[in-house]
Amino acid sequence: KAGVTQTPRYLIKTRGQQVTLSCSPISGHRSVSWYQQTPGQGLQFLFEYFSETQRNKGNFPGRFSGRQFSNSRSEMNVSTLELGDSALYLCASSLSGEERNTIYFGEGSWLTVV
Amino acid sequence: GESVGLHLPTLSVQEGDNSIINCAYSNSASDYFIWYKQESGKGPQFIIDIRSNMDKRQGQRVTVLLNKTVKHLSLQIAATQPGDSAVYFCAETGTGGYQKVTFGTGTKLQVIP
Repeated sequence: KAGVTQTPRYLIKTRGQQVTLSCSPISGHRSVSWYQQTPGQGLQFLFEYFSETQRNKGNFPGRFSGRQFSNSRSEMNVSTLELGDSALYLCASSLSGEERNTIYFGEGSWLTVV
Repeated sequence: GESVGLHLPTLSVQEGDNSIINCAYSNSASDYFIWYKQESGKGPQFIIDIRSNMDKRQGQRVTVLLNKTVKHLSLQIAATQPGDSAVYFCAETGTGGYQKVTFGTGTKLQVIP
């Protein structure tokens, strides 16, 4: 059974550009969430999607957005990139999120903003 | 406010010894706790979880203890091996939705051969 798959693994962008990251959850998982990991702030929750609807949102500016497709795959977008957006972006999936389902993480997408 | 934090940033342990990683949380309403292991260049890997109605749970070579009175949990790793070297995070979920995981700052475990 394939795990959570994230693409691309590494990317470099310039300030002011926008970026889209993709996540394919484990087969059968309907809940997808995104996290940002930086040395200074640690792991922080961005948002969570279930059945194509954003169900939870963390404390990030509106430049960070996401969506989920009918096949549960998800994308997140960051517009008008800033140097501080350089981070490891992690996607996680679980069965539903209504109960304490185990949350599985992908390997992450390393974003460097220059 | 709601937070999950760790006491020590780095823990060095001799191979074969037992490791104990501690974590404090501040939200008394937290009802589900998870320990994750993150190796360099990889995403967090689920180790073990515990619900607030329990005080101990055992897995393979790992035990999690929960003390709700002092809002403290710990991860014990028996017979620590070099492959256990990683950063360990305690995390809490449930208060903001079960998919909104609040992570602690992490403890780096270094296993000395």
